[in-house]
Amino acid sequence: TQLLEQSPQFLSIQEGENLTVYCNSSSVFSSLQWYRQEPGEGPVLLVTVVTGGEVKKLKRLTFQFGDARKDSSLHITAAQPGDTGLYLCAGEGDYKLSFGAGTTVTVRA
Amino acid sequence: GAVVSQHPSRVICKSGTSVKIECRSLDFQATTMFWYRQFPKKSLMLMATSNEGSKATYEQGVEKDKFLINHASLTLSTLTVTSAHPEDSSFYICSAGGGALNEQFFGPGTRLTVL
Repeated sequence: TQLLEQSPQFLSIQEGENLTVYCNSSSVFSSLQWYRQEPGEGPVLLVTVVTGGEVKKLKRLTFQFGDARKDSSLHITAAQPGDTGLYLCAGEGDYKLSFGAGTTVTVRA
Repeated sequence: GAVVSQHPSRVICKSGTSVKIECRSLDFQATTMFWYRQFPKKSLMLMATSNEGSKATYEQGVEKDKFLINHASLTLSTLTVTSAHPEDSSFYICSAGGGALNEQFFGPGTRLTVL
């Protein structure tokens, strides 16, 4: 059973458009991490959010952690083809990560 | 972030043979490593938590005698798939824990194909 639900499952947009990926749970997590994975590679850590209500920016990526530490979102501004990949959120609890099902993002040139 | 390597990156074996996958943390010491399995276009499923110097903790439904884990040092954990069968074909990924916020740093994965 997935503790984290990600939406949408697939997202295909044109270069320059914005996108948002959501990660929701009924559980409270100590922290939440976002990863990006390309085919045949391992996930690469993008950000870790810890505090409820926290907002972190990483160039064109903005990450929010919900006030109750149960949900998070990833917003990409002016997406580029290089942003294409599988985006995974993962909640940390009991020193383990529980992953969402992932959102496959395709940015068309 | 920390660097984690896996070897081999790809392996093809015959049914019934055993395959060992190595996971190394290259620039830090990891008391805890994790092994995941990932099916095509699916998320990562935690198989087991590997603790240096002690027995691994397996997730429910994962056969410990099938997937042998050894964490002999702070920089190396191994996963051995014993008597592999075609249904064991998958992408196996390890990670090393140790970030200040309990982040995990992932290896590049190993593609196992059992014929």
